[in-house]
Amino acid sequence: DADVTQTPRNRITKTGKRIMLECSQTKGHDRMYWYRQDPGLGLRLIYYSFDVKDINKGEISDGYSVSRQAQAKFSLSLESAIPNQTALYFCATSDPGGADEHLGIYGYTFGSGTRLTVV
Amino acid sequence: DQQVKQNSPSLSVQEGRISILNCDYTNSMFDYFLWYKKYPAEGPTFLISISSIKDKNEDGRFTVFLNKSAKHLSLHIVPSQPGDSAVYFCGGGGSNYKLTFGKGTLLTVNP
Repeated sequence: DADVTQTPRNRITKTGKRIMLECSQTKGHDRMYWYRQDPGLGLRLIYYSFDVKDINKGEISDGYSVSRQAQAKFSLSLESAIPNQTALYFCATSDPGGADEHLGIYGYTFGSGTRLTVV
Repeated sequence: DQQVKQNSPSLSVQEGRISILNCDYTNSMFDYFLWYKKYPAEGPTFLISISSIKDKNEDGRFTVFLNKSAKHLSLHIVPSQPGDSAVYFCGGGGSNYKLTFGKGTLLTVNP
């Protein structure tokens, strides 16, 4: 099983619909992140959470909300989807405590991504 | 304000030759830098990192060089292999443990 699992892998939804993207991890990391990838724009941070009670906005949080249900679960919601939210979404985790030595103390582990299309 | 810049959207090299991917940054508060590799339909995977107090880090075929005065880092892949064909993201981070990424460079290694 993957360390960071994202569901669904692909989703097509209509403008105005509410949609939730889910992320779960088995790495035991406290820190979790949501990024989106757009062609020519790279990876941009939407929201991040350093523990269950800590939620922070990233650089492009407008139109999104998140929920940290447990240490292992971090969900991203689009309250009313619009076409320019069509993108590839990635969840990531990190452990500054250095448990993942091959990553160094600052590396992220990413999920496989959710491809979202809003029509 | 784009804090991490990868100005080359794509790079094509021959198998066995050196690949050099470049990254510039503007945020002098970055404490470390990382390179990630991304294949289609997969999430980015960690490749190599470098602390801001170092100027070089090597791991097998991959070497990252950091020039702090120029705010520039580069990833060297020697020798390049077809399996290295992927999008490479440069990222910078600081004490807040958030990574800021560049737009990525698509590397194509031709057999």
